[in-house]
Amino acid sequence: GAGVSQSPSNKVTEKGKDVELRCDPISGHTALYWYRQRLGQGLEFLIYFQGNSAPDKSGLPSDRFSAERTGESVSTLTIQRTQQEDSAVYLCASSLLTGRTEAFFGQGTRLTVV
Amino acid sequence: SQQGEEDPQALSIQEGENATMNCSYKTSINNLQWYRQNSGRGLVHLILIRSNEREKHSGRLRVTLDTSKKSSSLLITASRAADTASYFCATDQATGANNLFFGTGTRLTVIP
Repeated sequence: GAGVSQSPSNKVTEKGKDVELRCDPISGHTALYWYRQRLGQGLEFLIYFQGNSAPDKSGLPSDRFSAERTGESVSTLTIQRTQQEDSAVYLCASSLLTGRTEAFFGQGTRLTVV
Repeated sequence: SQQGEEDPQALSIQEGENATMNCSYKTSINNLQWYRQNSGRGLVHLILIRSNEREKHSGRLRVTLDTSKKSSSLLITASRAADTASYFCATDQATGANNLFFGTGTRLTVIP
């Protein structure tokens, strides 16, 4: 596609429910990142995928968070048993080669847990 | 944890003035990038400066990098109201962590 696509753009869920966020990276981009951004804050790294290598999960805040990516295609970020503190914008980015080149961001998914 | 911190956190200037934002980071880097974010959504890449470069220009943007001080600055000249946004620096660490670490951002407001 022309850019990084994220869906849904907005999601409201009840506390305790599971949510799945989707990211379609730019075709050919081997690196894919997930970030969380709380209102008025910076970007908090969550997880990083590079090709078929083991992902860097060091930023996942708890075991309620998980992410998958098949090869160099779509990635899904799953949050189980959502809590109100999970409310944030979740941003996905892809790049041609790790951090050595610019990253292209999707428009994010705004998650609200009520 | 985040690698970089921007300074100031917020900046308000008149249209036509120059805006300078600073970024400090903690570890050795391969490159440093600046991004812009409108309305809390997707970020747009502005410029990338490599660790062996000291200054780079792109249109009205000028970026400097001082690896000895672990700092960078972004200068926007002749600012416009449309430059109003949040600006973030991001570092590609040289330690092997294949990641882009973002700073806390500077919120720039350009008053028409």
